Amino acid sequence: DAGVIQSPRHEVTEMGQEVTLRCKPISGHDYLFWYRQTMMRGLELLIYFNNNVPIDDSGMPEDRFSAKMPNASFSNLKIQPSEPRDSAVYFCASRWGLAEYNEQFFGPGTRLTVL
Amino acid sequence: AQSVTQPDIHITVSEGASLELRCNYSYGATPYLFWYVQSPGQGLQLLLKYFSGDTLVQGIKGFEAEFKRSQSSFNLRKPSVHWSDAAEYFCAVANQAGTALIFGKGTTLSVSS
Repeated sequence: DAGVIQSPRHEVTEMGQEVTLRCKPISGHDYLFWYRQTMMRGLELLIYFNNNVPIDDSGMPEDRFSAKMPNASFSNLKIQPSEPRDSAVYFCASRWGLAEYNEQFFGPGTRLTVL
Repeated sequence: AQSVTQPDIHITVSEGASLELRCNYSYGATPYLFWYVQSPGQGLQLLLKYFSGDTLVQGIKGFEAEFKRSQSSFNLRKPSVHWSDAAEYFCAVANQAGTALIFGKGTTLSVSS
């Protein structure tokens, strides 16, 4: 398997623009996670899905952020409108089953810069 | 609520020296604990995990960690550090449902020659 795939790897956009980050989890995994990493706040869990259903979105910072998982092979995270403080590295991760038994695999991340 | 504290933001170790990275957790029941490593520009990779049994856990790349319930700690160790170990290290605990991981803020390891 190719692992968790994220696109794009780098995104530079201007304030106010819509940004879409994409993730393809490992085939067969039933959990998908979106994280944001910044120097100030470290690694934050934004939202996670189980069997394509959002389970906990309490980490989503504002209504400007939304995430969907239309099928088991794809998820996207949208920011609309984007702001400079959204600049961060966004990671997608996937896992099969519960955390204590199975490894959570991370994608390479998308580095977002909002000017 | 569960939480993880990594007291050291940055540590520098000489190549060949031993390493210990500290991790303290807050959790009422038996925790499921993890250490991940992030190399520059990369995603996170699992080093090792603890969920029951022997409190000394062996991982990849020569790392080990010891679970100490009395101290609420899960410190990561390596007897001899290599330059390639320079990276950021994250300790994590699973939430109560076992569905998500809560990460510490990480410790950056630098290795000097």
